[in-house]
Amino acid sequence: AQTVTQSQPEMSVQEAETVTLSCTYDTSESDYYLFWYKQPPSRQMILVIRQEAYKQQNATENRFSVNFQKAAKSFSLKISDSQLGDAAMYFCAYRRVNNNDMRFGAGTRLTVKP
Amino acid sequence: DAGVTQSPTHLIKTRGQQVTLRCSPKSGHDTVSWYQQALGQGPQFIFQYYEEEERQRGNFPDRFSGHQFPNYSSELNVNALLLGDSALYLCASSHTGPGNQPQHFGDGTRLSIL
Repeated sequence: AQTVTQSQPEMSVQEAETVTLSCTYDTSESDYYLFWYKQPPSRQMILVIRQEAYKQQNATENRFSVNFQKAAKSFSLKISDSQLGDAAMYFCAYRRVNNNDMRFGAGTRLTVKP
Repeated sequence: DAGVTQSPTHLIKTRGQQVTLRCSPKSGHDTVSWYQQALGQGPQFIFQYYEEEERQRGNFPDRFSGHQFPNYSSELNVNALLLGDSALYLCASSHTGPGNQPQHFGDGTRLSIL
């Protein structure tokens, strides 16, 4: 079974600083997809960034980037120039290719201090 | 362009009752997935519907059933409600196609069981 672990229940960052959220996963598959979702108090899950396991290059979306270490089964999210609007729960998720069951971690609550 | 819409926003039921939750997918999407998110946890996959059929199911009992209509909207039905069914129920839609099609989530329905 695939499991996703987020070892940081809570993280805090100063506005304009950089923060890294950790995620590890367990799988025997060689090809799969990884995601980071943001869930603000409004409850809607918003896709932040995604990575295909067959791609060696780390995904980047504006201030958000990932450090994908396939051998270590690690997928961390780096948020640069943190903004107050970045405060939310962040979930790491895994999905096998041709499989619709997306597995989520328990989440990390990010607080941004002004 | 309307995103994923879910109704109702909040629902209160008692043990043993039955409930129906509704979801309209994002325009252009034909696939609907349902997730259960207990308090303080990440979402768990319930099932996915495509072409009006259940395509894949997670580890949930038969009390959880669903339906997809010709217009791609979907319903989640839960029978014989238990206290443990209290959770946020999220609907996500996507477009079936090759590669990593992202899922778009609705704001969820908060179900409380008394």
